[in-house]
Amino acid sequence: DTAVSQTPKYLVTQMGNDKSIKCEQNLGHDTMYWYKQDSKKFLKIMFSYNNKELIINETVPNRFSPKSPDKAHLNLHINSLELGDSAVYFCASSQGNNSPLHFGNGTRLTVT
Amino acid sequence: EDQVTQSPEALRLQEGESSSLNCSYTVSGLRGLFWYRQDPGKGPEFLFTLYSAGEEKEKERLKATLTKKESFLHITAPKPEDSATYLCAVQAPGSYIPTFGRGTSLIVHP
Repeated sequence: DTAVSQTPKYLVTQMGNDKSIKCEQNLGHDTMYWYKQDSKKFLKIMFSYNNKELIINETVPNRFSPKSPDKAHLNLHINSLELGDSAVYFCASSQGNNSPLHFGNGTRLTVT
Repeated sequence: EDQVTQSPEALRLQEGESSSLNCSYTVSGLRGLFWYRQDPGKGPEFLFTLYSAGEEKEKERLKATLTKKESFLHITAPKPEDSATYLCAVQAPGSYIPTFGRGTSLIVHP
């Protein structure tokens, strides 16, 4: 059973389009995250939700909007895509503060 | 200023050649230090959590240790399947999220 699953795995789109990435976890965790990994493998936090409530929103353009319909799902919607948005986006979950993260296998977004 | 610095950036070893990866951190009152392994095309996979100086954790050929300023991931007699990027993350007091280092890319040649 996949613990944290993301779809799609690959996403190729043109500048200006709007796209969404979905994430689901079946671990029963209360906290979910979105990270962005750049070409040099650096993982940078974007958002964190605890029990459907936003608790962390790092300096991310307003074009990125997370949505958590329930505590098992955290989706990422991106408006007006730009070339610089190309990266791998990882969803993760954890039992709570100071617990290890469980990551999905990432969504590679390419904006042309 | 980076709170977490990993070195070396890349490491090439021969099979059986033991070595160590370093993760140094600047946070005070560390709440936890995490090691992850990331394979190409996959998400990071949790390896260890260390909470206090002097603590050690082991798993197969890997051993993680922690001091007040750094952590080491010792790899004993590595095999080609140990090739991956190893990431370190620290949890600071008052922070809800761990901060990641930039990783060490390890290649083990047969």
